Amino acid sequence: GQNIDQPTEMTATEGAIVQINCTYQTSGFNGLFWYQQHAGEAPTFLSYNVLDGLEEKGRFSSFLSRSKGYSYLLLKELQMKDSASYLCAVRDNAGGYNKLIFGAGTRLAVHP
Amino acid sequence: GAVVSQHPSWVICKSGTSVKIECRSLDFQATTMFWYRQFPKQSLMLMATSNEGSKATYEQGVEKDKFLINHASLTLSTLTVTSAHPEDSSFYICSARRDSQQYFGPGTRLTVT
Repeated sequence: GQNIDQPTEMTATEGAIVQINCTYQTSGFNGLFWYQQHAGEAPTFLSYNVLDGLEEKGRFSSFLSRSKGYSYLLLKELQMKDSASYLCAVRDNAGGYNKLIFGAGTRLAVHP
Repeated sequence: GAVVSQHPSWVICKSGTSVKIECRSLDFQATTMFWYRQFPKQSLMLMATSNEGSKATYEQGVEKDKFLINHASLTLSTLTVTSAHPEDSSFYICSARRDSQQYFGPGTRLTVT
């Protein structure tokens, strides 16, 4: 089966750095995605990892360790607009076709 | 590029009626589209994978006779919620795959009274 775990809520201060962890168990791993979702809106793509290591994109970085089933999203220089839910999603092809399975999401609150 | 639209953005219907939601890829062709449902403060739950020209693949626990999916062209997939009930009230989001990524539509909020 599939299982994706991430913290339910986190808080951080404007200008700081926050790391959101995600652990997963899946039988047909084929990549890991991070999305940002504001309330009532669709998710927007942040990052994609398929190989081990760190991917950096501006203020956002994402890390993957396939052997540990672990990823994190790092947000630097936090801004108030970064308050949102952050969804870890694993692409799984165990059924013979690729599908994206989402974790429950981490609600991040950035305060002044 | 890679824009996905949904229509309607919100809909209110009476219990027992059917509602159709459209998902369109505006600037690319998508042989595969996905339908998700999201309840308040919960994550996206995959309902089904829609393949152009063939039957949709439903996830376990999703009633295919209740949630009818038609992927009639490379740019359009539709989800019809048949005989809707209040417990079907939710945020329905589609996504279309292009290369290695999925692009999400803006979602449709369904309220069944």
